[in-house]
Order: sequence, then C-alpha cells, then structure tokens
Amino acid sequence: AQRVTQPEKLLSVFKGAPVELKCNYSYSGSPELFWYVQYSRQRLQLLLRHISRESIKGFTADLNKGETSFHLKKPFAQEEDSAMYYCALIHMNRDDKIIFGKGTRLHILP
Amino acid sequence: EAGVVQSPRYKIIEKKQPVAFWCNPISGHNTLYWYRQNLGQGPELLIRYENEEAVDDSQLPKDRFSAERLKGVDSTLKIQPAELGDSAVYLCASSLDDRGNIQYFGAGTRLSVL
Repeated sequence: AQRVTQPEKLLSVFKGAPVELKCNYSYSGSPELFWYVQYSRQRLQLLLRHISRESIKGFTADLNKGETSFHLKKPFAQEEDSAMYYCALIHMNRDDKIIFGKGTRLHILP
Repeated sequence: EAGVVQSPRYKIIEKKQPVAFWCNPISGHNTLYWYRQNLGQGPELLIRYENEEAVDDSQLPKDRFSAERLKGVDSTLKIQPAELGDSAVYLCASSLDDRGNIQYFGAGTRLSVL
C-alpha cells in the first residue's frame, strides 16, 4: 500500500541551526514527491518538488530511492521557517492515489 | 489572480443537517481536487476531477457525500446528512492537469458539526 510517513509531529530547532524534516514513503512505482508548507494563517502552498531539483527559501530535498526517503533540509534555520510541513506523494497514473503525510510542525527557537 | 476561491470559510451545523461547499478553481486549471483535513492530520483526497469527469472518487463516502463539477469549472461538495465525525477542514485545490503539476490550494472551509 502507498504510504507517506513523517515520523515527527513537532520539531524544535534553534535559529541558525540545521533543519531536517523526515519523510519516508512506500510506493512500488516511480513516485513524484513534493513538500508543501502552511505558514500561520496562510493556505497550503508548494515548497518544492523533487523533479525540479531546486532550492527554495534555502530548503532542498533529495529523493533517495534506496532508502525511500525525501527528507527536507536547510543548513541554517530562520524564524520565518516556522510552519507546518507536509510531504506528499503524487503519481501521474490516473489509478493511483494522492497521499499526504500527517505533517511536521517546525518551530524555530530564537 | 485570486487563486482558488472557496466558500463559506466557516460553517456550523447540527448533525443530520445538509451542508454544501463551493469551489472556484484558478482559470484554466483542468484538474480539481477536494480534500478533507482532520485535526492533526494531513489532507486526505476525497475526489479528483479532470474537467467534468470524476477520475478518482474512491475515498468519497458515497452514502452521504456527493460532488459535482458542472461545465468543468466550479465545483460543489455536499454532505447529507452530516455526522459529528465530519467536522474537519475541507480543502479545494486545482492544477493545470493531472500529470503531477503543482496543486494550488484554497483557504478551506472549516466545518463544525454539533
């Protein structure tokens, strides 16, 4: 069964420290993986997708098919990074499901 | 560009009452999604439309939930009758097509069933 696991509900990190939000997935095909973010009082929005291989707001995520992971990383946390982060697996096959993880709340400590 | 527009933003009803949510996607977006997000959980897909065709409604509780997307633009999600467990945020999203393109989300409708 397809599954997206975000093991941490809450992650507290000091400003300036490195951040890693974990995401593991279970999928038998070739997945397309995304990170969505929801800042306080804002709507859910795309942060980055693995096929773009880009850095957004200092965040990067590498798809590791061997470990079935798509962890989100940032070398130096900023206070404005505090938000809910959701990992999502979306496949282009019309018969497959779109699955979001339960989310991790990132809290940046001053 | 207004983005995806949902209404109402909040709805409080008593159990067994009907309720409807409306979504206007971004102009030109062929794919429309309805999600339910329970407290402390990620969004859960209820139904996905490609134009006016529902291509994935396997997660929609069809005994009480229904949806339509007439003319392939606006969409309505209905619950009749509502149950206490239906309290959640209902999110609408749209994308250019269903080929894994970026989904743009609305602000959601927060439903409270008393």
